[in-house]
Amino acid sequence: EAQVTQNPRYLITVTGKKLTVTCSQNMNHEYMSWYRQDPGLGLRQIYYSMNVEVTDKGDVPEGYKVSRKEKRNFPLILESPSPNQTSLYFCASSLRVNYVNYGYTFGSGTRLTVV
Amino acid sequence: TQLLEQSPQFLSIQEGENLTVYCNSSSVFSSLQWYRQEPGEGPVLLVTVVTGGEVKKLKRLTFQFGDARKDSSLHITAAQTGDTGLYLCAGDRNSGGSNYKLTFGKGTLLTVNP
Repeated sequence: EAQVTQNPRYLITVTGKKLTVTCSQNMNHEYMSWYRQDPGLGLRQIYYSMNVEVTDKGDVPEGYKVSRKEKRNFPLILESPSPNQTSLYFCASSLRVNYVNYGYTFGSGTRLTVV
Repeated sequence: TQLLEQSPQFLSIQEGENLTVYCNSSSVFSSLQWYRQEPGEGPVLLVTVVTGGEVKKLKRLTFQFGDARKDSSLHITAAQTGDTGLYLCAGDRNSGGSNYKLTFGKGTLLTVNP
């Protein structure tokens, strides 16, 4: 089944404790992205990757890191989480043909609480 | 200012009614997508439109991309309670060089009452 798998689904952590949210896709998509979703603010892009070893900042990259060492994986790293990073996070991947995005497949989400 | 403005923000209707939600921008998009999201779950892609003026149908849902590729609409005929959810539009555009970014509207929360 074509899917994007995120782990963990739920995470409660303390301020300053480094964490990684994993994301893996099995569709051989080149384009992957991380979003956070907050009430009243909608989905905001954190980072995206056009291909292996190619990443770029989205609209809200502060406090986050990503890496793309292989096509299928795109982990999101919070080096020193703070309470304002409490949110619902989504990883997504998409197929691009001639620069046209034909639609994201989203993971099921990671609900992160930083206390 | 929001790149993509969706309207209305909230919509509550009775089963069997028709409805239209809108997605507007001053920017031109290379493609525009519509998603439906259930609480706590990831958005699910409904349709992608690419060509200006394009109309796509998915059962009772009709999607239209504006001629200038700046806006889109989603029309639902004879709404059912199962149509309840958050409807999101997302526009894809060149952000410089060979980089493209997909930006989401804030969504229309649709409630269909029995």
